[in-house]
Amino acid sequence: GAVVSQHPSWVICKSGTSVKIECRSLDFQATTMFWYRQFPKQSLMLMATSNEGSKATYEQGVEKDKFLINHASLTLSTLTVTSAHPEDSSFYICSASRGGDEKLFFGSGTQLSVL
Amino acid sequence: EDKVVQSPLSLVVHEGDTVTLNCSYEVTNFRSLLWYKQEKKAPTFLFMLTSSGIEKKSGRLSSILDKKELSSILNITATQTGDSAIYLCAVVVSSNTGKLIFGQGTTLQVKP
Repeated sequence: GAVVSQHPSWVICKSGTSVKIECRSLDFQATTMFWYRQFPKQSLMLMATSNEGSKATYEQGVEKDKFLINHASLTLSTLTVTSAHPEDSSFYICSASRGGDEKLFFGSGTQLSVL
Repeated sequence: EDKVVQSPLSLVVHEGDTVTLNCSYEVTNFRSLLWYKQEKKAPTFLFMLTSSGIEKKSGRLSSILDKKELSSILNITATQTGDSAIYLCAVVVSSNTGKLIFGQGTTLQVKP
């Protein structure tokens, strides 16, 4: 099956710093990747759709200047949480579409804790 | 606004019981419906349903889509403690990108 690697799996940072999360499709090319956020005991909320070589499309209520997304190649998308605050603490997870079968493959997620 | 609703939100059963999880949707451009199981971290894929009325099975799990009722059910028979997880229903709303809209999830706890 298709593999999506996400790194780091957990990160603790101080308030005001920026954190970068990477999402890689290891054995397929992903023209589209998605970033989700999940708070405890809640479902996955789509934050943005990342397309290779173009600007990301953000969902309503998600600040694009705070959550910077870069999809520089067909196998890599990054999410940077800028000037992180404690309320940004959450589980962030990416997924990638292989195209065609519409079945998404998920990364293992990143638990972000902002102190 | 596209919406996916799951019920119940949580469920506690004993080993050996059979459970039925529900998912209903209201979306403008339905492509397919997917079920995922989430334990600790990343959701793992269970089923993808595109056609109405055709049951998909995998071991003790099965699922079916009803496009007329805009809903799907996930059945788990002879539940085991290892089935304890959050079960997520998601609808694909774009064939070009594979964009998914998730339901709130059903938290299933199977007691020994």
